[in-house]
Amino acid sequence: GQQVMQIPQYQHVQEGEDFTTYCNSSTTLSNIQWYKQRPGGHPVFLIQLVKSGEVKKQKRLTFQFGEAKKNSSLHITATQTTDVGTYFCAGYPGGGNKLTFGTGTQLKVEL
Amino acid sequence: EPEVTQTPSHQVTQMGQEVILRCVPISNHLYFYWYRQILGQKVEFLVSFYNNEISEKSEIFDDQFSVERPDGSNFTLKIRSTKLEDSAMYFCASKTNSGRTGEQYFGPGTRLTVT
Repeated sequence: GQQVMQIPQYQHVQEGEDFTTYCNSSTTLSNIQWYKQRPGGHPVFLIQLVKSGEVKKQKRLTFQFGEAKKNSSLHITATQTTDVGTYFCAGYPGGGNKLTFGTGTQLKVEL
Repeated sequence: EPEVTQTPSHQVTQMGQEVILRCVPISNHLYFYWYRQILGQKVEFLVSFYNNEISEKSEIFDDQFSVERPDGSNFTLKIRSTKLEDSAMYFCASKTNSGRTGEQYFGPGTRLTVT
């Protein structure tokens, strides 16, 4: 089936360090969404990217959608303890309407 | 701010029993979803529902699962005969628009434990 993979699976950083998670789909995506799930919480929508090569910023977060619309990245500058959680990309591979989540990257931030 | 609600927050049941998980989507939303997340794993799509019909379902959503919108507010997921491997967090989600764009709003989830 269609796969959406993320690397790394886990990332531990010191507060103030940068963090990046990469998302790769086996098929072209019409758009890519990013969600954050705090420990014990539910997924919360962060952003949606639609255009090839699109870059969007939200404060310290930068999201990028690849030219081929098969990969995406989320970069956090100067992490804070409030950034702790699991970051999932999600898309609709294969032309269907099933939102398929990536495998997720769990971020831990240490003081 | 409107939010999706789910009850119960935690359900413990014995293998073979039926469970019904309940969700109240955001009131003006038209598209409803159920997802499953096994502990420590990714969020998996189960089913989408629109206009009182299932729009799409995954391979996970077999004959043991059913969904219903019994009234104007509730959206339920029923598992007829639970198995140990059904133990997971179940999230309901809703959104306003059709198609492959737009934010899905997730509820806080129901943790199902099958013993």
